[in-house]
Amino acid sequence: QKEVEQDPGPLSVPEGAIVSLNCTYSNSAFQYFMWYRQYSRKGPELLMYTYSSGNKEDGRFTAQVDKSSKYISLFIRDSQPSDSATYLCAMWGGGSNYKLTFGKGTLLTVNP
Amino acid sequence: GAVVSQHPSWVICKSGTSVKIECRSLDFQATTMFWYRQFPKQSLMLMATSNEGSKATYEQGVEKDKFLINHASLTLSTLTVTSAHPEDSSFYICSARDQGRGYTGELFFGEGSRLTVL
Repeated sequence: QKEVEQDPGPLSVPEGAIVSLNCTYSNSAFQYFMWYRQYSRKGPELLMYTYSSGNKEDGRFTAQVDKSSKYISLFIRDSQPSDSATYLCAMWGGGSNYKLTFGKGTLLTVNP
Repeated sequence: GAVVSQHPSWVICKSGTSVKIECRSLDFQATTMFWYRQFPKQSLMLMATSNEGSKATYEQGVEKDKFLINHASLTLSTLTVTSAHPEDSSFYICSARDQGRGYTGELFFGEGSRLTVL
């Protein structure tokens, strides 16, 4: 079993839809959870950062972490064509090496 | 804030030549930078951790003599692909941690460098 599992999609939704992206993980030591957005042929851009369990909201984006289930989610409300990208979840257990473990990424297309 | 610049964004070279890619943190200091490789439709694969003033730490299976990493200052790390071959063609991305943000795992990424070896 991989440390981080993420459905690669592709996921296609109409403009205005609510999008739900998810990752599961097996390493209970992970404490820091991130979502990155990567446009084609560009570097990843940090979207959301969450420590431990709970919810975090930033505009149209909401990140949820359920450590008991080892499950994290990113919700996008009122999705826009400009949200079309690959979304990568990433996790880190703390410590001094700062090495993140990434999911494979989910390719999202929002159709106008 | 927290901008990472990578150069060049795109490079084509002949087989057997060496290519250097630069990664700069523009508005913060980074004692640690990371180099990743990404194949089409794949996730990021960590190649090495670059530490300012010391040797890089390479991941298992990554040839340190082929992928030379130098982190000479708090804002610059370089990756040199030596004697490049077509199988080295890939998207190389660097990232850096803003040590001024304290104890967090946030990493900020460069725009990536696409290497094509003919």
